[in-house]
Amino acid sequence: DQQVKQNSPSLSVQEGRISILNCDYTNSMFDYFLWYKKYPAEGPTFLISISSIKDKNEDGRFTVFLNKSAKHLSLHIVPSQPGDSAVYFCAASGDTDKLIFGTGTRLQVFP
Amino acid sequence: GAVVSQHPSWVICKSGTSVKIECRSLDFQATTMFWYRQFPKQSLMLMATSNEGSKATYEQGVEKDKFLINHASLTLSTLTVTSAHPEDSSFYICSASLGGGEETQYFGPGTRLLVL
Repeated sequence: DQQVKQNSPSLSVQEGRISILNCDYTNSMFDYFLWYKKYPAEGPTFLISISSIKDKNEDGRFTVFLNKSAKHLSLHIVPSQPGDSAVYFCAASGDTDKLIFGTGTRLQVFP
Repeated sequence: GAVVSQHPSWVICKSGTSVKIECRSLDFQATTMFWYRQFPKQSLMLMATSNEGSKATYEQGVEKDKFLINHASLTLSTLTVTSAHPEDSSFYICSASLGGGEETQYFGPGTRLLVL
């Protein structure tokens, strides 16, 4: 059973516009959420995280929103840049150190 | 900060041989390290959690006798794929957390294994 889901396998956005990547989870015990960016043949790079006590966290062009009642989080990238093209994974953790990853969304930012 | 390295970055081996992959935290001590496997176009699959000085905790379905994990120090964990077979060919990635309640994991660059 997939506890963390990214239902959009891919997303294409024009440079300068906003990219919105979505993630849903099923386990109400998750209390910490992260977004990672991954290029092919490389390890994931940490982008931004949010604790369940918050509903928004912002870092530069990246903002993560958390809706606990809907068990949904999203990553907003604005403005999108071609260098943002990568696969984005959301991950969640609960009372253990384990991260549960979603299946990823491939973002392509075109000029 | 929080840099994690892996060695080797890629390895090709014959079926039946064993391969060792090292994971090092370069600028911090990692009480806990994690080993993941990624198949093409698939998410990261946690294989095991490695704690310094104790036995690794393996996820369901992961053969502990095939994937030997050793966490000898606070900066080094190793994954040995024993008697590798072509189906073990994959991209193996380690990660480490800072500990002390810090839940963010920092990932190594990964090791691509090809078993012929």
